Amino acid sequence: AQSVTQLGSHVSVSEGALVLLRCNYSSSVPPYLFWYVQYPNQGLQLLLKYTSAATLVKGINGFEAEFKKSETSFHLTKPSAHMSDAAEYFCAVSLDTGGFKTIFGAGTRLFVKA
Amino acid sequence: KAGVTQTPRYLIKTRGQQVTLSCSPISGHRSVSWYQQTPGQGLQFLFEYFSETQRNKGNFPGRFSGRQFSNSRSEMNVSTLELGDSALYLCASSLELVNYNEQFFGPGTRLTVL
Repeated sequence: AQSVTQLGSHVSVSEGALVLLRCNYSSSVPPYLFWYVQYPNQGLQLLLKYTSAATLVKGINGFEAEFKKSETSFHLTKPSAHMSDAAEYFCAVSLDTGGFKTIFGAGTRLFVKA
Repeated sequence: KAGVTQTPRYLIKTRGQQVTLSCSPISGHRSVSWYQQTPGQGLQFLFEYFSETQRNKGNFPGRFSGRQFSNSRSEMNVSTLELGDSALYLCASSLELVNYNEQFFGPGTRLTVL
């Protein structure tokens, strides 16, 4: 079965430190991959997406993610965390199951300490 | 350009009642998808509508239904409400069918079933 696994439901970093949010997927075919962010009381907002072009994808707010087929991973990184990055982050995969369906990971809540 | 709007934002119902949620997509977007978000199950896909036709459906009972109008606005209906239906219901729109296209999310409708 196709799925998305986000390692760590909570991640805490200090302001200015590296942010690394992990995402692994399982799929028998190359998927489309996304990272979304959700701020409190808001809907989700797209950070970046992978659609089989460059394996290193740059997104908004200084985030980027690298698609590694051999590791079936699509980890999200940001070199220097800012207080405003505190939010919940969702990795998602879009798969053709006789009609495309987007499957979301369980989410990782990022805390940024001053 | 106005974003995705959902009405109402908050709703309280009792078991056995039915509820209708509304979603207005971004102007020009033809696809509307619905998701249920709960702390325990995360984000789960309900269904996607495109050009007034349901194109894909998640694993939810028949009590959950939806429709899309000619202006792309969509409604979701839940009949015979159960306590477990309490959740944040998110609507997302995209230009075309969801595959590699970005989805734009509304703020959600928070449904509480007592």
